[in-house]
Amino acid sequence: AQSVTQLDSHVSVSEGTPVLLRCNYSSSYSPSLFWYVQHPNKGLQLLLKYTSAATLVKGINGFEAEFKKSETSFHLTKPSAHMSDAAEYFCVVSAGGISGGSYIPTFGRGTSLIVHP
Amino acid sequence: GAGVSQTPSNKVTEKGKYVELRCDPISGHTALYWYRQSLGQGPEFLIYFQGTGAADDSGLPNDRFFAVRPEGSVSTLKIQRTERGDSAVYLCASSLTRTSGIPSRYGDEQFFGPGTRLTVL
Repeated sequence: AQSVTQLDSHVSVSEGTPVLLRCNYSSSYSPSLFWYVQHPNKGLQLLLKYTSAATLVKGINGFEAEFKKSETSFHLTKPSAHMSDAAEYFCVVSAGGISGGSYIPTFGRGTSLIVHP
Repeated sequence: GAGVSQTPSNKVTEKGKYVELRCDPISGHTALYWYRQSLGQGPEFLIYFQGTGAADDSGLPNDRFFAVRPEGSVSTLKIQRTERGDSAVYLCASSLTRTSGIPSRYGDEQFFGPGTRLTVL
């Protein structure tokens, strides 16, 4: 079984300030973890992914995330928010293994990032 | 190159009617997924195809929902006897392949279409 919890439904920041979007997961297997962004009326776009390589993952548009197994977390950060970052962000877990698991992705409920000028 | 496309972009229908939603995946992608996204929620898995076969349909809510992918490319999601609760955005995604065993460096990256917004009146 696997699940994802996005701890904040909304995050509001000022332009130029840091962004932190929190994600905790649970999984019976070694997970792959993803962050997707969804702009209004546009398709979901992959920001970054963790697949058992480096625990600090860098993505597009200056975003990065750190996989912390001991905390079962995969928080998304960006040093300086831009107005164009305003969107919905989804944390996703996909897990399976030789002894089970389906690799069907499970999405979190999403965090809406609001950026103020 | 062309991404995943979905048609129609919007569909309004009446309760009890039948609807078909189409997905054109990225050429060469063998894996295809359907999701449903309700307002304020994350996408919810419906069904996954590997090639022509439905490898996992555990997310289909009931037998009114059915999907096909006869030639391993285009897929159609079919909903019979639509209900108001079926109103949602239906998303399609494709990926190059499906990993198994230890997660690979490909990590099941999925490319999403823009979705079809279904409204059942």
